Amino acid sequence: NAGVMQNPRHLVRRRGQEARLRCSPMKGHSHVYWYRQLPEEGLKFMVYLQKENIIDESGMPKERFSAEFPKEGPSILRIQQVVRGDSAAYFCASSLGLAGGYEQFFGPGTRLTVL
Amino acid sequence: DAKTTQPNSMESNEEEPVHLPCNHSTISGTDYIHWYRQLPSQGPEYVIHGLTSNVNNRMASLAIAEDRKSSTLILHRATLRDAAVYYCILRDGGGATNKLIFGTGTLLAVQP
Repeated sequence: NAGVMQNPRHLVRRRGQEARLRCSPMKGHSHVYWYRQLPEEGLKFMVYLQKENIIDESGMPKERFSAEFPKEGPSILRIQQVVRGDSAAYFCASSLGLAGGYEQFFGPGTRLTVL
Repeated sequence: DAKTTQPNSMESNEEEPVHLPCNHSTISGTDYIHWYRQLPSQGPEYVIHGLTSNVNNRMASLAIAEDRKSSTLILHRATLRDAAVYYCILRDGGGATNKLIFGTGTLLAVQP
């Protein structure tokens, strides 16, 4: 059973370009979470999605960031017009269920560098 | 999510047991106690979780105080590969999203 897959593992963008980060959850998991870890900082929740629905986006920056989890295919975190401050590791996690007893399984992350 | 308190860092010697404490004095009756760890340059990794009773799995043991206001993650024989930041997190059993709120965790150093 493959774990959570993220690609690309490393992404380099110039200021003003768009970044697309993809996440394939574990088989059978319909709950997807995105977290961001800025350099030398802790992990921060960004958004929680179920299939085709954004449930909680309280951690998403108000502008330039969006996320989706379509019926078919991976979840996508999209960052438009990237700035240097967007340089960070972005981790996706998936869960089988919603209740507090369910663990989250994390992917290896995408390390975004903005030049 | 209720707040947890952990020491900033701890040291251990290889092949010795490690006890990582966590205080959560404001825990509610429906909060699960979860532990994750993050090795250098990797994503977080689930370690163990429990509600009221002590729990064991292949990675570690979780000892939960009777009043549930504290817990201890036990690594029975530390290896160099256990050097990581360990996070103690409370998750509401009836929460709407159950996002993980990471604190600063405990940085565990393992000496050979």
